[in-house]
Amino acid sequence: SQTIHQWPATLVQPVGSPLSLECTVEGTSNPNLYWYRQAAGRGLQLLFYSVGIGQISSEVPQNLSASRPQDRQFILSSKKLLLSDSGFYLCAWSPERALNTGELFFGEGSRLTVL
Amino acid sequence: GQSLEQPSEVTAVEGAIVQINCTYQTSGFYGLSWYQQHDGGAPTFLSYNALDGLEETGRFSSFLSRSDSYGYLLLQELQMKDSASYFCAPMRGSTLGRLYFGRGTQLTVWP
Repeated sequence: SQTIHQWPATLVQPVGSPLSLECTVEGTSNPNLYWYRQAAGRGLQLLFYSVGIGQISSEVPQNLSASRPQDRQFILSSKKLLLSDSGFYLCAWSPERALNTGELFFGEGSRLTVL
Repeated sequence: GQSLEQPSEVTAVEGAIVQINCTYQTSGFYGLSWYQQHDGGAPTFLSYNALDGLEETGRFSSFLSRSDSYGYLLLQELQMKDSASYFCAPMRGSTLGRLYFGRGTQLTVWP
């Protein structure tokens, strides 16, 4: 069966510090991968989308970047965090050939607080 | 472009039926998904409609009217564990696989 792992689960970082959140998917190959952010009491905002290694689409201009160094690994990074980067970051995946099913499988999320 | 409207809050009692509406304006609309998210948890997929009509999955059903740009999630025989946020998420044909979520509806079920 397929599983998705995200870490760290929580972190508190000072403004201006770097960030690295990691997500890995097991039990499938060539998944579509997503990074979403959810601010407190808000909806989910799509940040990045990837259909393959090294292929990243950015949805909104921001202080963050994403990379996909391996087929089932997706990394969210920042060189210098801003207060506004605080939020709940969710990684998700969908099967390679299931783009039209509307179904994403989410990880448990990483809660980031920038102070 | 896209706009999405859902009620921010809905309350109901156990055993009741509740309907959560979703009105969207999505260019190149392809389909509509529904997700449930408990506090502090990850969203989980509930249903997807690409065609007009009702899709039933146990106690939950989802409806879509493409001509009205409208859908709803129907929850029957409500249970306390159904207290959660519910999100509708349209998908565009030009960006298949990418879901754009609204702010969601907070459902509170009272005993």
